[in-house]
Amino acid sequence: EVQLVESGGGLVQPGGSLRLSCAASGFTFSTYDMHWVRQATGKGLEWVSAIGTAGDTYYPGSVKGRFTISRENAKNSLYLQMNSLRAGDTAVYYCARSRGYYYDSSGYYVPRTFDIWGQGTMVTVSS
Amino acid sequence: EIVLTQSPGTLSLSPGERATLSCRASQSVSSSYLAWYQQKPGQAPRLLIYGTSSRATGIPDRFSGSGSGTDFTLTISRLEPEDFAVYYCQQYGSSPITFGPGTKVDIK
Repeated sequence: EVQLVESGGGLVQPGGSLRLSCAASGFTFSTYDMHWVRQATGKGLEWVSAIGTAGDTYYPGSVKGRFTISRENAKNSLYLQMNSLRAGDTAVYYCARSRGYYYDSSGYYVPRTFDIWGQGTMVTVSS
Repeated sequence: EIVLTQSPGTLSLSPGERATLSCRASQSVSSSYLAWYQQKPGQAPRLLIYGTSSRATGIPDRFSGSGSGTDFTLTISRLEPEDFAVYYCQQYGSSPITFGPGTKVDIK
């Protein structure tokens, strides 16, 4: 069975750090781009990071410089290191697999759709 | 950044009825790279439609997508009890990818 299982969420103070993990199984992890997508309570979805099969990384402006995505193919694992956390980072964080990617006319990385998602891990940033 | 707007915010219907959900983009979505996801309470999103009108693996044919440019539609031909959920559109026509705020389909 294809599966993604996140862990590492919890309560952290503003300015603090947290590292999320995602364990993949049931597919050849090393051949897929992987992502983190978050969802604040009662809100929509926001893509927060991507890592390609070669270890290339991509971030939107809202988290660039604070979040670092990484992967360890030998362990079928994905990670998200989150630093300088803010109240606005409070959300459920999902690990997700994408169905490929391309580069748009401006040369920016664009993931396609997300076909496999984990169950999510909650991150709460509060004093 | 392309902003997606979904309407209505909530759609109250009965099982067996037809649901029509709208997603409007602030600028044209390149190559009709528009997807739809379904999310039930406490669960992760599930991919339903990609490329505006292609159904993902295992998605029943009562779900269909259409549209182009800035206006897109998800249609559920006859609502089944398991279809009551929140639906999100996503554009992947340009960076950064963005999602709409969602339409909740609830039981009337």
